[in-house]
Amino acid sequence: GIQVEQSPPDLILQEGANSTLRCNFSDSVNNLQWFHQNPWGQLINLFYIPSGTKQNGRLSATTVATERYSLLYISSSQTTDSGVYFCAVIFTGQGAQKLVFGQGTRLTINP
Amino acid sequence: SQTIHQWPATLVQPVGSPLSLECTVEGTSNPNLYWYRQAAGRGLQLLFYSVGIGQISSEVPQNLSASRPQDRQFILSSKKLLLSDSGFYLCAWSAMKNTEAFFGQGTRLTVV
Repeated sequence: GIQVEQSPPDLILQEGANSTLRCNFSDSVNNLQWFHQNPWGQLINLFYIPSGTKQNGRLSATTVATERYSLLYISSSQTTDSGVYFCAVIFTGQGAQKLVFGQGTRLTINP
Repeated sequence: SQTIHQWPATLVQPVGSPLSLECTVEGTSNPNLYWYRQAAGRGLQLLFYSVGIGQISSEVPQNLSASRPQDRQFILSSKKLLLSDSGFYLCAWSAMKNTEAFFGQGTRLTVV
């Protein structure tokens, strides 16, 4: 099956720093999503990005599907950015789309 | 707008007891529905998915089962819980193929 690898597994930064999270995947996919899991476990949708670049405030994402990777950029980090960031690739199998998740990057922003 | 409801939020159950977790979606018809489990605070594993009423596909063999008695209702069940069933269970929906998926608030299950 498809393998999804995220790096780094853990990242500790000071408030105000910038960060880049990477997601590599092993096969062609139909689409890709980035999520932020908050301390209460809720998965917040950040980006739905099959290719190209999207921006939302201090966050932006780039997916290069032909090279099988996606990047999530966080600028001017705030303590509320802390949590686990997941990428999930989407592929269609047996009539339904499936999301395969990476293991996540745990981001800690210190004040 | 579409919303997804999942309950209960937390559950503590003894080993050997039954389980029923419910997920419902509002504001859409014929959604794809999914159950995921997250252990140890990291990656999510797909357990079951459904493309229609009564249509359930299982991704991994386990002590759990799923049912879809109505279009927008997805239920995760077990007849006898094991300690290894503990974890964070998330329900998700998507409108159709290759569209964005949205998750419920999750149920934190502890089997004691």
